[in-house]
Amino acid sequence: DSGVTQTPKHLITATGQRVTLRCSPRSGDLSVYWYQQSLDQGLQFLIQYYNGEERAKGNILERFSAQQFPDLHSELNLSSLELGDSALYFCASSGGTYQETQYFGPGTRLLVL
Amino acid sequence: DAKTTQPPSMDCAEGRAANLPCNHSTISGNEYVYWYRQIHSQGPQYIIHGLKNNETNEMASLIITEDRKSSTLILPHATLRDTAVYYCIVTRGAQKLVFGQGTRLTINP
Repeated sequence: DSGVTQTPKHLITATGQRVTLRCSPRSGDLSVYWYQQSLDQGLQFLIQYYNGEERAKGNILERFSAQQFPDLHSELNLSSLELGDSALYFCASSGGTYQETQYFGPGTRLLVL
Repeated sequence: DAKTTQPPSMDCAEGRAANLPCNHSTISGNEYVYWYRQIHSQGPQYIIHGLKNNETNEMASLIITEDRKSSTLILPHATLRDTAVYYCIVTRGAQKLVFGQGTRLTINP
């Protein structure tokens, strides 16, 4: 158990819909990272937050957004969903200082029908 | 971040040592070598990391060559539960991880 929790575990929805994925970092960790893993793209970095502020952005679509709240949990919002958004979504957390190991949650499996 | 090269697949007999190589010839002086593994579709699991010295923990050992251009992850007594995709990642830390294709390690009974 990494100490990072993600909900829900599974999500099935239809094209055009909007969903919210939630991540609670390990106790004391300030940084949260979101990654997407699809069959054809492998594990790809989406976005990083540090103590409530966006720190880095990867290849995140404009239809996707994220935020980190004062209690440090984070949410990833996916809107106008397409079939190709079906994937595993992982969040990871780290202490946020230089050279901190990222610990990953169990992921949310999203299926868009 | 430096690019890494790993063999796509390896096999190892249960109970034997599994040695997974990784090439990172363009690594910078302030970049660390990290190893993660992913068992089926679970979240990537941190294994070990190092800068220039060899490292050992309860899961594995990491051997980094003196020129830091390559490294080897060693699982000393592989079990069936070690079957997974192993990722070697070079990073300065506190930033995104760039995952390649990794090595699919199969432990055979």
